[in-house]
Amino acid sequence: GAVVSQHPSWVICKSGTSVKIECRSLDFQATTMFWYRQFPKQSLMLMATSNEGSKATYEQGVEKDKFLINHASLTLSTLTVTSAHPEDSSFYICSARGTSGGAWQFFGPGTRLTVL
Amino acid sequence: AQSVTQPDIHITVSEGASLELRCNYSYGATPYLFWYVQSPGQGLQLLLKYFSGDTLVQGIKGFEAEFKRSQSSFNLRKPSVHWSDAAEYFCAVDPYSSASKIIFGSGTRLSIRP
Repeated sequence: GAVVSQHPSWVICKSGTSVKIECRSLDFQATTMFWYRQFPKQSLMLMATSNEGSKATYEQGVEKDKFLINHASLTLSTLTVTSAHPEDSSFYICSARGTSGGAWQFFGPGTRLTVL
Repeated sequence: AQSVTQPDIHITVSEGASLELRCNYSYGATPYLFWYVQSPGQGLQLLLKYFSGDTLVQGIKGFEAEFKRSQSSFNLRKPSVHWSDAAEYFCAVDPYSSASKIIFGSGTRLSIRP
């Protein structure tokens, strides 16, 4: 089956620093990737959708200048949390959709971000 | 407004008892429907999905779900739960419109009583 990986699986950083999270589709090409955020005991909230080679589309209320998304290749998307603050601490999950389209989204294992 | 609703925040059932988790959606057309499970601190695992066809869908771990168009529902069931089923369960939809993307319900936390 299709596999999506995320790196790192967890990260701790100081307030004010930037953190980059990678999302890779390991055995398929992902034309579209999605980034979700999940606060403790809450559901997954879609942050943005990115298509390879174009700018990401952000959901309402998500700061595009704070959460930089790059989808430079068909197997890699990155989320950079700029000037992170404690309120950005969350579980970030990516998912990827293959070139065959349809509703098949494959989810990564998530990245736990803790900002001190 | 388009939405997916899980009315039960927390459910507790006895081990061996049957389970039904509710999910309702509000979209103009029938979306693609999913159930995911998440254990604490873990990622998501797909239990089952409905795209079209037979309205009773079989999934992994003994779960099944029934799509009812008239009720806009996609409830998850299991005839006999095990202690290992304790987790958070998310119903999700993909409207499969021009902006196709999976949207999650608020989740239902399942506890198992020994």
